[in-house]
Amino acid sequence: TQLLEQSPQFLSIQEGENLTVYCNSSSVFSSLQWYRQEPGEGPVLLVTVVTGGEVKKLKRLTFQFGDARKDSSLHITAAQPGDTGLYLCASPGYSSASKIIFGSGTRLSIRP
Amino acid sequence: DTAVSQTPKYLVTQMGNDKSIKCEQNLGHDTMYWYKQDSKKFLKIMFSYNNKELIINETVPNRFSPKSPDKAHLNLHINSLELGDSAVYFCASSQRNIREAKNIQYFGAGTRLSVL
Repeated sequence: TQLLEQSPQFLSIQEGENLTVYCNSSSVFSSLQWYRQEPGEGPVLLVTVVTGGEVKKLKRLTFQFGDARKDSSLHITAAQPGDTGLYLCASPGYSSASKIIFGSGTRLSIRP
Repeated sequence: DTAVSQTPKYLVTQMGNDKSIKCEQNLGHDTMYWYKQDSKKFLKIMFSYNNKELIINETVPNRFSPKSPDKAHLNLHINSLELGDSAVYFCASSQRNIREAKNIQYFGAGTRLSVL
């Protein structure tokens, strides 16, 4: 059973369209992170959301942490081919052992 | 300057062989990790070392043995390779922090292991 379920698993859209991907769990998290992984590279942190209901913007990307801190969403406005990649949500961990748990991932492909 | 570097980037080998993957970080972090990413892109932690001490050891076959000679290095040795070991292995590092939100991991580019 996945602690963090992401949806959709795959998404292929045309350049210029908007999209939203989701990260859901039955557990409460004190914070959630979003990483992007490009082909042939390791994941790179995009953002950390900490407070329930928090919204953070990173250019055309908008991240939201659910009020109950069980879910998060990533919205991309006017998607560009450079947004193509694997998007992973992650929980930084419950203890000082700092074990990050990653979600199942959303593979995003933006067609020119 | 690459922050987290792992070698080799590609590794193709026969079943039954023993191989090692090396990882080095120049970020001054005190914690290093090994992850396995399978064909479905699921990223799962294998091991974590803090100041050369093993702190996370997930359910991994004992054919996998990590070694940390110092804080900046974490190597992964795999004995008797099996077909199911084929995956991309990522090394990562972070500076351990009691505040979860500060636990940011920096990943290497990955080692794609193919066992034939």
